[in-house]
Amino acid sequence: SQQGEEDPQALSIQEGENATMNCSYKTSINNLQWYRQNSGRGLVHLILIRSNEREKHSGRLRVTLDTSKKSSSLLITASRAADTASYFCATDSQGGSEKLVFGKGTKLTVNP
Amino acid sequence: NAGVTQTPKFQVLKTGQSMTLQCAQDMNHNSMYWYRQDPGMGLRLIYYSASEGTTDKGEVPNGYNVSRLNKREFSLRLESAAPSQTSVYFCASSFKERGYTFGSGTRLTVV
Repeated sequence: SQQGEEDPQALSIQEGENATMNCSYKTSINNLQWYRQNSGRGLVHLILIRSNEREKHSGRLRVTLDTSKKSSSLLITASRAADTASYFCATDSQGGSEKLVFGKGTKLTVNP
Repeated sequence: NAGVTQTPKFQVLKTGQSMTLQCAQDMNHNSMYWYRQDPGMGLRLIYYSASEGTTDKGEVPNGYNVSRLNKREFSLRLESAAPSQTSVYFCASSFKERGYTFGSGTRLTVV
């Protein structure tokens, strides 16, 4: 069963705008990760945030984590056409396994 | 670095045929995984291996078997393919909290 669920399912914006995607999950976690998947390709790891962290930045990416609400958000600032992709959140469990459960993804389209 | 290499990239099988999907990683990762991705379903874990010599079932293991041949290689076998196994299969590997590295996928069609 899916642990994380992304919202919205699809998002279309103009180049230069910010894109925000949300992820909700059900059980306690050690960390939450975000991945990008370009059409027809494998997933690429973007960022990992641990359960004791509230915010993390990487270039134009900003991730927040609210463990009390069991939710996370991914913000892409100043989006580019090359950011067009599907974005997935993934969560582990507190059992110590590195096994991840992925959400169904948000499909982002950035129009030039 | 090649990362994670999956073969083949595409395959068409007839119902009842068998095949093995190969996966190899050159990053000395302990953990390896097989996921399937279906439209609207995200990725679902089929099997994983936390270390050489160990394998465990994931969310959707029925109809599949795996072998962790050594630290580098983790293969997925379909003994008797069914149309419901038409999917894109991804292999991945990881080491502690450094995120997964994925292969480019195998697109399998069972007719």
